[in-house]
Amino acid sequence: AQSVSQHNHHVILSEAASLELGCNYSYGGTVNLFWYVQYPGQHLQLLLKYFSGDPLVKGIKGFEAEFIKSKFSFNLRKPSVQWSDTAEYFCAVNAGAGGSYIPTFGRGTSLIVHP
Amino acid sequence: DGGITQSPKYLFRKEGQNVTLSCEQNLNHDAMYWYRQDPGQGLRLIYYSQIVNDFQKGDIAEGYSVSREKKESFPLTVTSAQKNPTAFYLCASSIRPVAGGPYNEQFFGPGTRLTVL
Repeated sequence: AQSVSQHNHHVILSEAASLELGCNYSYGGTVNLFWYVQYPGQHLQLLLKYFSGDPLVKGIKGFEAEFIKSKFSFNLRKPSVQWSDTAEYFCAVNAGAGGSYIPTFGRGTSLIVHP
Repeated sequence: DGGITQSPKYLFRKEGQNVTLSCEQNLNHDAMYWYRQDPGQGLRLIYYSQIVNDFQKGDIAEGYSVSREKKESFPLTVTSAQKNPTAFYLCASSIRPVAGGPYNEQFFGPGTRLTVL
């Protein structure tokens, strides 16, 4: 069965600091990768996704992520965080044989950005 | 205004009672999902359905039941057999552009917070 690991459960940063959130998955086949964000009091929403092509993908609000197949990783980055980036971030993987593509989520990372 | 609606937003239940959470979508998505979100545990899949009149158990299906009689609707019943039902429940949907291919990203509803008294 596939699994997703997010290494940082709680991250606290000051505004303008750089951010990198780790995400590793365990599945040897074709995967589709996602980062979702849950701002306080709001719906979970897509931040960015990778299906194929350029392994460096850009999302909303200046976020980007790099897919490194050899490391089974899909880390999320932002060069300079803002107070409004305070939220919970989830990495997710769609993978599966036979077209089932059952999604699996990581445990999430809570990010707090101090102004 | 397309999207996913969940009702109610807050739900209180006495021990031993079954309760049904509503999830409706008007996105014309084939697949729908129910997750349970607990602090520090991320989203755990309860049930999912990829087509009307068919659904599959997820990782934590025990004590839950679902139905998928219409494409737009995927209600979740939390039964009295669920040992620890107090949680935040999220419904989601997605679509696969190519038959047999991967699903696109999921769209989520606002969630229902269930508290068992």
